[in-house]
Amino acid sequence: ILNVEQSPQSLHVQEGDSTNFTCSFPSSNFYALHWYRWETAKSPEALFVMTLNGDEKKKGRISATLNTKEGYSYLYIKGSQPEDSATYLCASSGGTSYGKLTFGQGTILTVHP
Amino acid sequence: EAQVTQNPRYLITVTGKKLTVTCSQNMNHEYMSWYRQDPGLGLRQIYYSMNVEVTDKGDVPEGYKVSRKEKRNFPLILESPSPNQTSLYFCASSPSGRGLYQPQHFGDGTRLSIL
Repeated sequence: ILNVEQSPQSLHVQEGDSTNFTCSFPSSNFYALHWYRWETAKSPEALFVMTLNGDEKKKGRISATLNTKEGYSYLYIKGSQPEDSATYLCASSGGTSYGKLTFGQGTILTVHP
Repeated sequence: EAQVTQNPRYLITVTGKKLTVTCSQNMNHEYMSWYRQDPGLGLRQIYYSMNVEVTDKGDVPEGYKVSRKEKRNFPLILESPSPNQTSLYFCASSPSGRGLYQPQHFGDGTRLSIL
């Protein structure tokens, strides 16, 4: 079983703050790294899928980077808004199976007005 | 509207009574997968299917069965449910499974309680 770790477990920030969190994953036999946003009482929604070392993706105020050699990805949120409050999940595919996707436990972000 | 549909959304049942949770997608996706979500444990993959008639175990397959007879459907079967299978279940699909280079689309979830 791949070990995917996210930190911190939870984060409280004020509206307007910029924040970032980390996802670490096994770097050997790596295929792809996914980020999802999961709001309470809804289903996870895809933010990014990254595959190449050095990949950077951006969607509005949210961006992500990928380092496959050392096995980590950062998710950044610039100028946090209360509507950014959610659990952010990362997941890695790799190892000996093409179809397995292993999720981290998530980072719970709360943005206070 | 492109979607992944799970049924039922909620179910309370008893130990040992066979149940099936259906999952259907209308996006012609090749890849489908089932996850369970438990507090403190995140999403864990139960089974996945790369295409019709091709299924494989995820990280927590014990006590579950799946089938993929048609591209759009991927039912999750609990032959003899037990209380430790009480959980929130998600079905997801993706255009292609090989390497999982594309994002997954999730259903709304099914909350199962097994007494």
